[in-house]
Amino acid sequence: QVLLVQSGAEVKKPGASVKVSCKASGYTFTSYDINWVRQATGQGPEWMGWMNPNSGDTGYTQEFQGRVTMTRDTSITTAYMELSSLTSEDTAVYYCTRSERGGGVHFDYWGQGTLVSVSS
Amino acid sequence: DIQMTQSPSSLSASVGDRVTITCRASQSINSYLNWYQQKPGKAPKLLIYAASSLQSGVPSRFSGSGSGTAFTLIISGLQPEDSASYYCQQSHTSRAFGQGTKVEIK
Repeated sequence: QVLLVQSGAEVKKPGASVKVSCKASGYTFTSYDINWVRQATGQGPEWMGWMNPNSGDTGYTQEFQGRVTMTRDTSITTAYMELSSLTSEDTAVYYCTRSERGGGVHFDYWGQGTLVSVSS
Repeated sequence: DIQMTQSPSSLSASVGDRVTITCRASQSINSYLNWYQQKPGKAPKLLIYAASSLQSGVPSRFSGSGSGTAFTLIISGLQPEDSASYYCQQSHTSRAFGQGTKVEIK
């Protein structure tokens, strides 16, 4: 079955960076995009961007442009999301999620989420 | 950017009720609209994609309709396990989510 398994919770200080991993299994890793979504407590989900694991192409929302980097290691079917210059407003649960390419994109499988806490 | 507006922000209904949640886009998104259900401490779960297609394994009491700028999620016969937050998401340009509707059981 399709599984996306994320790395564990992180505690970071303001100004630091965090790198979250997402291990994919149960499907052909390079055939689906990986998207990253974050959700602060009590808020709705916020889409951060996407990555094509086959080509490495990425697209980031304006809010995160310049501060987020999405990468992958196809040999171990793992995607990564690195967010830099952290502030307390980056405290949230971060999810990886899979989507098909083309029109009508939807997120059919999700990781379990990784809590990132930013505090001095 | 296309803005997604959900209503209501919360509702309370009884088991067996028909529940309607609305999502409006600030400009046409054709049928590029998805619906998700999220329970506390869990990742969102895809219910409906492309406005009206039921995701595999989702109970048939969930249905979606609409196109252009106005969309609806209907729960026909609310069940206790449907207590959750529901989010719409447009996939026409970005992948932005609506602000959510919290459904509680009376």
